[in-house]
Amino acid sequence: GAVVSQHPSRVICKSGTSVKIECRSLDFQATTMFWYRQFPKQSLMLMATSNEGSKATYEQGVEKDKFLINHASLTLSTLTVTSAHPEDSSFYICSARPSGGAHNEQFFGPGTRLTVL
Amino acid sequence: AQSVAQPEDQVNVAEGNPLTVKCTYSVSGNPYLFWYVQYPNRGLQFLLKYITGDNLVKGSYGFEAEFNKSQTSFHLKKPSALVSDSALYFCAVREDGNNRLAFGKGNQVVVIP
Repeated sequence: GAVVSQHPSRVICKSGTSVKIECRSLDFQATTMFWYRQFPKQSLMLMATSNEGSKATYEQGVEKDKFLINHASLTLSTLTVTSAHPEDSSFYICSARPSGGAHNEQFFGPGTRLTVL
Repeated sequence: AQSVAQPEDQVNVAEGNPLTVKCTYSVSGNPYLFWYVQYPNRGLQFLLKYITGDNLVKGSYGFEAEFNKSQTSFHLKKPSALVSDSALYFCAVREDGNNRLAFGKGNQVVVIP
C-alpha cells in the first residue's frame, strides 16, 4: 500500500527558531501534497496545497512567509515554520496524492507534533 | 462550497453492540466521500470511500458506510464494536472538480468493555 512518512515525529524548539518538517511518499510519486494543522480534539485545517515544481497554494489566513513550503521532488515536500512561537505549537499532518492515480486517492502521513517553548 | 457535518461530539457504545457514526455533507456537484480513523498522536488511516456505484461501501476492520443521496448522508457503521475501535473518526468530502478535501469536526468513539 501507499506509505507517507513524516520526519521528525515530534520536535521541541525555542521561540524564534525555525523548524523544518519533511513529508515523503515512500513508494509512489506525488505531484500534489497537502499540509494540514490539527489542534487538540479538533479537525484538520488545510494550510496549503503543495505542487511539485511550482509555488504552493495557501489557504486564506495562512501566512506564506511564516509557513514556507518547498515541493522539490515528486516524493518530498517540506514545511518550514519560520520564527516559531508558542501559538505555532500544533500537530502537523501531510498527505500525498499519487501522480496519475485516481483523483480521489490521498494518503496521510503519521503527523509531526511541534512544541514551541 | 463543500462541507461536512458530524453532529455528535462523542459516541459511546458497549463492546459487541452496533456502532454508528453520523455524517452529512453538502456539495455543489457529485460527492466523493471518505471515512478516516485517527488514534492518539497518529495520522489518519483510511477506512473506506464512496466514489460511484453501490451505495453500500465496505471498508477496513469490518466497517461499512451507506451513501444516501436524498438525505445527503454517509453514516459509518460496524455491526459489533470492539474496544480497539475507540478512536477519533473523521468524515470527509470532495466534490467533483475540487482538489481539496473538506473534513468534519470528528467524532470520538468510546467502546466500553
